[in-house]
Amino acid sequence: AQSVTQPDIHITVSEGASLELRCNYSYGATPYLFWYVQSPGQGLQLLLKYFSGDTLVQGIKGFEAEFKRSQSSFNLRKPSVHWSDAAEYFCAVGPAYSGYSTLTFGKGTMLLVSP
Amino acid sequence: KAGVTQTPRYLIKTRGQQVTLSCSPISGHRSVSWYQQTPGQGLQFLFEYFSETQRNKGNFPGRFSGRQFSNSRSEMNVSTLELGDSALYLCASSGDRGAMNTEAFFGQGTRLTVV
Repeated sequence: AQSVTQPDIHITVSEGASLELRCNYSYGATPYLFWYVQSPGQGLQLLLKYFSGDTLVQGIKGFEAEFKRSQSSFNLRKPSVHWSDAAEYFCAVGPAYSGYSTLTFGKGTMLLVSP
Repeated sequence: KAGVTQTPRYLIKTRGQQVTLSCSPISGHRSVSWYQQTPGQGLQFLFEYFSETQRNKGNFPGRFSGRQFSNSRSEMNVSTLELGDSALYLCASSGDRGAMNTEAFFGQGTRLTVV
């Protein structure tokens, strides 16, 4: 069965500092990988996705993620965090070649930004 | 292009009642998925519909059901509500299955409170 692990429930980062959110997945087939962000009371917004090709993918709001097949990881990074980045971040995996609507999500990482 | 629209945004129901939630996908999208989000269990897949057919189903009791209409709008129904059904219910739409570079777009959700 597929699973996604986000080992950090909460992370606090100072504004302007760099950020890395960890994501490890277990998937039996070729996965598609996603990072979503959720602000309080809102739905999920896609930050970036990895389907194939270049393992370093760029997303919106200055985020990037690197796919490492050997480590089954898809970590999210941002070089300089802004206060508006405070939100909950979800890593998700979906089945390749059979549709992308059935996603398995991690439990999420809540990002707090300190001044 | 209008996004995914979920109605209503908030709902309060009593135990034992039933409830119907609605989701209008992005124009042209034929796949609609539903997810339940709770603090304890996180985001869990309920079911997916494509062209009026249920394509995939998560591990939820039969009290949870759904359907999709010819215009791709979808409804989910929960019968005999329990306190544990209190959650944010998210709907996601995506393009044709198997198409490259599709992604799931989420609505803002319906917050269901069972009292």
